[in-house]
Amino acid sequence: NAGVMQNPRHLVRRRGQEARLRCSPMKGHSHVYWYRQLPEEGLKFMVYLQKENIIDESGMPKERFSAEFPKEGPSILRIQQVVRGDSAAYFCASSPRPISGVYEQYFGPGTRLTVT
Amino acid sequence: DAKTTQPNSMESNEEEPVHLPCNHSTISGTDYIHWYRQLPSQGPEYVIHGLTSNVNNRMASLAIAEDRKSSTLILHRATLRDAAVYYCILRDVGSGGSNYKLTFGKGTLLTVNP
Repeated sequence: NAGVMQNPRHLVRRRGQEARLRCSPMKGHSHVYWYRQLPEEGLKFMVYLQKENIIDESGMPKERFSAEFPKEGPSILRIQQVVRGDSAAYFCASSPRPISGVYEQYFGPGTRLTVT
Repeated sequence: DAKTTQPNSMESNEEEPVHLPCNHSTISGTDYIHWYRQLPSQGPEYVIHGLTSNVNNRMASLAIAEDRKSSTLILHRATLRDAAVYYCILRDVGSGGSNYKLTFGKGTLLTVNP
């Protein structure tokens, strides 16, 4: 079974450009989560999506960030007008339908965004 | 999620057992204890989880104190590939709310010496 796939693995953007990060969940998984890990910090939850629905975006910055998980294709995390503070590792995770309320999450290798 | 406390770092020798402790004195009755690890430059990886009883899988064992205020992740024979940051995370399955959010603390950095 292929794991969670993320691309690109490394992304360099200049300030003001747009960054698009892609995540393909594991086969059979319909729940996707995005986390951000700033340098020297722990992972922080950003957003939880199911197919065509945003369930919880409480961890997303209010501006410039958006996420989607269309019916077909990968989940996309989009950052508009990037700033240096957006430089971080962005991890996607997926899970199947929860069993007994427990959502086991399987993480991708991450996309390391560098804003110059 | 209830708070967990872990040592910042631990060191082990290859092929020796490793016991990684986690304190969670404010754990509630519906909190599951989860362990994830993050190898260098990789995403977190699920290790094991449990509620009350000790648990074993191919990666590790989880020993849970009788009062559930602490737990220990046991790697039976550490290898160099086990060098990682280990996170102990509580997840409340009784809230019906946002238990899908994993709250990562600073974890324990495990160094394995050859």
